[in-house]
Formats: sequence, C-alpha cells, structure tokens
Amino acid sequence: GQQVMQIPQYQHVQEGEDFTTYCNSSTTLSNIQWYKQRPGGHPVFLIQLVKSGEVKKQKRLTFQFGEAKKNSSLHITATQTTDVGTYFCAGPTSGTYKYIFGTGTRLKVLA
Amino acid sequence: DAGVIQSPRHEVTEMGQEVTLRCKPISGHDYLFWYRQTMMRGLELLIYFNNNVPIDDSGMPEDRFSAKMPNASFSTLKIQPSEPRDSAVYFCASSTLSYEQYFGPGTRLTVT
Repeated sequence: GQQVMQIPQYQHVQEGEDFTTYCNSSTTLSNIQWYKQRPGGHPVFLIQLVKSGEVKKQKRLTFQFGEAKKNSSLHITATQTTDVGTYFCAGPTSGTYKYIFGTGTRLKVLA
Repeated sequence: DAGVIQSPRHEVTEMGQEVTLRCKPISGHDYLFWYRQTMMRGLELLIYFNNNVPIDDSGMPEDRFSAKMPNASFSTLKIQPSEPRDSAVYFCASSTLSYEQYFGPGTRLTVT
C-alpha cells in the first residue's frame, strides 16, 4: 500500500538555526498537506500544496512540492522555541479522501 | 465555533471492558475521520465518514472495533472487548470537501 516516509525522525537544533524535514511518498500525490503537533497536543493544519513544483511561504516556514508530486519539504528559517513539535506531511490515497500521514519529524529547539 | 469536541479526554479501563469514545465534529463539516496515534505505529486512519456514511474502514484493526455516525453532529468509536494493545491516543477530525482536517484534542486510552 501507499507509504509516506519522513526524514529525519528527530532533529535537535540550536535556536536560530535552520531546520528542514523531507517527505517522500511511494505514489504520486494529488496534493500534500502539512500539520504540526505540539507535545501533548493534536495535529494542526499548516498548509496544502497542489501544483507540481509549488512553493509557499508562511513567515519563517517554506513549503515545497516536488516536480514529480511524490516528495515535499518544509524548511524553517531561524528556528524559535515555539517551533518545537512534530511535523507531519499527509497525502491522499489515489482517488479517495483517505489521507496517509507520514512518520513525522520531531523537532527540538535548544535555547 | 468550539472546534471538534471529544470525550472523554482520558479513559483508563481494564482489559475486556467495553470502551466508547465520542466525537462532535464542527458544524457544517461533511467528513469525519477517526485516527489512532501510538509511538510505534504513528498516526493511523481507522475509518472515515462522508455525510454520515462510512466510506473506508480498512484501517479498523479488527472486529473488536466499530464506529457509527448516527447524525451529522455525533460519532462514536467503540472497542469491545478492549485489550492492552489498544492503549493509544484516539483523535477525531472533521473537514469539508476534504480540505484541511480539524483535529479534536484526543482521547488518551489506557487499557490495563
């Protein structure tokens, strides 16, 4: 079945450093979503990308959808302690609204 | 809007007991999803509904799990009988036209 993998699994950075997480799907995706889950919290939607090669920015966060629509990345510039949490990508199974969540990247920011 | 509401927030039960988790989606949302999150398996989709009708239940672990959505404002996930390996955080999420999913706070289930 469809698999969505993320790397790295964990990342510790010093506050102010940049951070990137990569998402790879075993199948082509019609779109990809990104979520953030704070420790002890629930996933919160960040963004959806639809077009091949699409790049979207939200303040210090930059999201990119690969040309082949099988991979995506999230880059955070100058991390802050508020960025701590687990970042998930999610892609729909072909022809359905069933989203498969990636394995997640847990970010820890050291002050 | 109050967002997606789940109850109870925490549930501790003994093996063999029946457990019922409840969810109230955001008004107007026509998709409802049940997820389970564990350290080992991550965030797994168990079942999802569209307009109160179950569309895909392929993620339901086994016959001990069942889910219903009797109306647009209420859904339940039932485990009978419960087992220790069912211990997890169960999330309910809702969306419209399958765009962004709004997750509830989750129910942390512990089966001893």
